[in-house]
This record gives sequence, C-alpha cells and structure tokens, in this order.
Amino acid sequence: DSGVTQTPKHLITATGQRVTLRCSPRSGDLSVYWYQQSLDQGLQFLIQYYNGEERAKGNILERFSAQQFPDLHSELNLSSLELGDSALYFCASSVGSLTDNEQFFGPGTRLTVL
Amino acid sequence: AQSVTQLDSQVPVFEEAPVELRCNYSSSVSVYLFWYVQYPNQGLQLLLKYLSGSTLVKGINGFEAEFNKSQTSFHLRKPSVHISDTAEYFCAVRGTYSGAGSYQLTFGKGTKLSVIP
Repeated sequence: DSGVTQTPKHLITATGQRVTLRCSPRSGDLSVYWYQQSLDQGLQFLIQYYNGEERAKGNILERFSAQQFPDLHSELNLSSLELGDSALYFCASSVGSLTDNEQFFGPGTRLTVL
Repeated sequence: AQSVTQLDSQVPVFEEAPVELRCNYSSSVSVYLFWYVQYPNQGLQLLLKYLSGSTLVKGINGFEAEFNKSQTSFHLRKPSVHISDTAEYFCAVRGTYSGAGSYQLTFGKGTKLSVIP
C-alpha cells in the first residue's frame, strides 16, 4: 500500500459525459501527478500540482482539467468523453516537486467510455 | 527530446533463472533514470533510480541496474527470479523541463516479465 488513494476504482460512462476522478496523496506529500495509461500510448504524464499550484503540464487534452485543493487532495475532470479516453488513470504523489523525489502511485481508476 | 525504448515487450523466464530487461534512452539533459514495477491490478512502485555516482544501482527485491553512458542503456537485472516477480516493468528517464527545477518523467512502453514455475 503506497498510501495514495484514488476513487472510484472503476468508472463506466458514455461518450459526451463528464467525470471526476479523485486522489488523496500520502500524508505529508505536497506534489500530485496525474498519468494516463493506455494500451496504445503507454504511460503518459498529464499534469502536476505542487502545494495547490499547477507546476507542469504534459500531454493533457483541453477537455481535461485538474486542481489541487487546500487539503492537498486533487481531482481530475474529464469532459466531452470519447471512446479513446478509456484508460487507467493513475495519481502519484511525492514530498517535493523535483524529479529525484520518489513518486508513490495510487492503484488507479479504470475509466471505460461506451 | 527525451525518450525511452524498452526493447522487449514480453520476457518469459523460468523460476530461479537470471533475467535482464533492456532499456535504452536518449536525453539531452543530465540523465536521471528509473525503473518502476507494476504488479497486476496495482499502481507503479519504484524499484531503483540512478541520479549520479556509482553506475551500478541496487534496488529492492534483489534487482540491480547498470547505467552505461556510452551505450545509453540502463538494463535491469536479477540473478534469480521468483514467481512473485511476475509483473510489468517500466523504465523512465528525466524528460521535459517543467520549470523551478522540476522535470517530467518519460516512461517506456513496459516489459511484461512472466516467471514460469
């Protein structure tokens, strides 16, 4: 158990819908990262927040957005969903914002868009 | 741009045999390299990392990796595998600079290790 929690574990929805994925980082970790894992693209970095502020953006679509709240939990919002958005979404957390900080991954949320 | 190539998508190996999972990288910045493991239905877990110093890095669960700058490789090895090592292994490199000393991680496509009893 990494100490990072993600809800829900599974999510099934229809095209065009909007969903919110939630992540609670390990106690004491200030950075939260979101990743998308799909069969064709592999593991792709989406976005990083550090202590409530956006720190880095990766291959995140404009239909996707995220935020980190004062209690440091984070939410990833996916809207106008398409079939291709079906994937495993991971949240990770680390103490600091630097690359050499170990990232601890949650168990993931599996999103299926029908 | 930084990239990672994991040369084998699947590696079957018999229990107690040695294994090597190959990783080649390209990077235009100082190299930080990582190996992560993903057990079935779980998130990723850090096995080991190379930031600087000794090129031979020891990690958890008996794994080690060697950084070879001339061959731009960071292969993962274990002298004797166990059934419980069955998992997917990801190599990652420090990637795009995000600002304020932070870089993104760029991951390889992964290698599925299957340990055969």
